[in-house]
Amino acid sequence: DAMVIQNPRYQVTQFGKPVTLSCSQTLNHNVMYWYQQKSSQAPKLLFHYYDKDFNNEADTPDNFQSRRPNTSFCFLDIRSPGLGDAAMYLCATSRDERGFETEAFFGQGTRLTVV
Amino acid sequence: AQSVTQLGSHVSVSEGALVLLRCNYSSSVPPYLFWYVQYPNQGLQLLLKYTTGATLVKGINGFEAEFKKSETSFHLTKPSAHMSDAAEYFCAVTNAGNMLTFGGGTRLMVKP
Repeated sequence: DAMVIQNPRYQVTQFGKPVTLSCSQTLNHNVMYWYQQKSSQAPKLLFHYYDKDFNNEADTPDNFQSRRPNTSFCFLDIRSPGLGDAAMYLCATSRDERGFETEAFFGQGTRLTVV
Repeated sequence: AQSVTQLGSHVSVSEGALVLLRCNYSSSVPPYLFWYVQYPNQGLQLLLKYTTGATLVKGINGFEAEFKKSETSFHLTKPSAHMSDAAEYFCAVTNAGNMLTFGGGTRLMVKP
């Protein structure tokens, strides 16, 4: 009965080769978030969707894109992965943008390795 | 503006000993405060949260935290550590609909 599912759990990609990470949710939440977490660091918000409205953080590199084709799914596209993009990528959902005042649900994460 | 500071990136305790993980925040308006736990190669799991009301909040796995406005603190405690508590712990704050801001994290190690 997993509620936020990320696939794959581990992804290895080549330097410069586009890669897509996926996230799905069974909670019917309006908001979906993508975080990047490098080793021994706190998660860093990349962007979020409120329904179909995309909200990019100011310091998120253009190399990172996202798609949300429907309520349940959200994708993170890295157009040209560099070695510095190796990290854990976390997807989260909340009922609304004030949802952190209640609870946000995180997926298990996808660990990306760039070779 | 909001920020979170976690004192001590690594904390080591013996099994059965008190766990105390420190968190101080800054917020221009009343905050909502959270503690998340992360096991190796896993996502974040909510331990407990403070929004309004009672300042002593009880969470899962025997953890609790107390919101102290005068000290701008939200320290996490557990009376008796268990080996399974070894993990990374993140304090986080939000307010007025802002995005969640995480502290730097504290790695808890439990010695047998």
